Amino acid sequence: GESVGLHLPTLSVQEGDNSIINCAYSNSASDYFIWYKQESGKGPQFIIDIRSNMDKRQGQRVTVLLNKTVKHLSLQIAATQPGDSAVYFCAENAGGTSYGKLTFGQGTILTVHP
Amino acid sequence: DTAVSQTPKYLVTQMGNDKSIKCEQNLGHDTMYWYKQDSKKFLKIMFSYNNKELIINETVPNRFSPKSPDKAHLNLHINSLELGDSAVYFCASSPRGTTNEKLFFGSGTQLSVL
Repeated sequence: GESVGLHLPTLSVQEGDNSIINCAYSNSASDYFIWYKQESGKGPQFIIDIRSNMDKRQGQRVTVLLNKTVKHLSLQIAATQPGDSAVYFCAENAGGTSYGKLTFGQGTILTVHP
Repeated sequence: DTAVSQTPKYLVTQMGNDKSIKCEQNLGHDTMYWYKQDSKKFLKIMFSYNNKELIINETVPNRFSPKSPDKAHLNLHINSLELGDSAVYFCASSPRGTTNEKLFFGSGTQLSVL
């Protein structure tokens, strides 16, 4: 299940299940969104991105959904594997004079059990 | 042939010392960044340079001074280190620094101030 509290939200799934990681953003002007994966001891690694003129984008085993009405972003991972275990971050770019600045969300710890 | 490389990987030092972290990217990107990740995994931008010019300067103590000798390098110098500076520092780059670009991150420098 998924929980949110004082610590990082966590999601535990069994290998082969589908995972859904959620993210709420606050800036209605944001027009570009990215999901990153961070494994222990490594830097954030790009997974998938989406622009604000889209509501869904698919990659290999991953899908990002964007709901601008409620300012919500989700990452779906199909057939989750142990190698997917990591911290997942959503990030947004507010456009305009933000240049390339990405504002990161809190992060969610995904644990995949074999 | 690492795309974004930063050194050192680990840095342990005493309070009051001055230290530098170096970053190089071989992607031919125009824009480079420094992000700080705290103990709760929160990632926050510190600086951004585009073609050696400072573009983004968030609210960072002036003990932190970035320097970009050319567009492939962005170093971070920290004077008079404090306990609260302990964190993981990530360098990143993007092609042009525009609002719809993903960032490529290095593997991080873990700074521990004793």
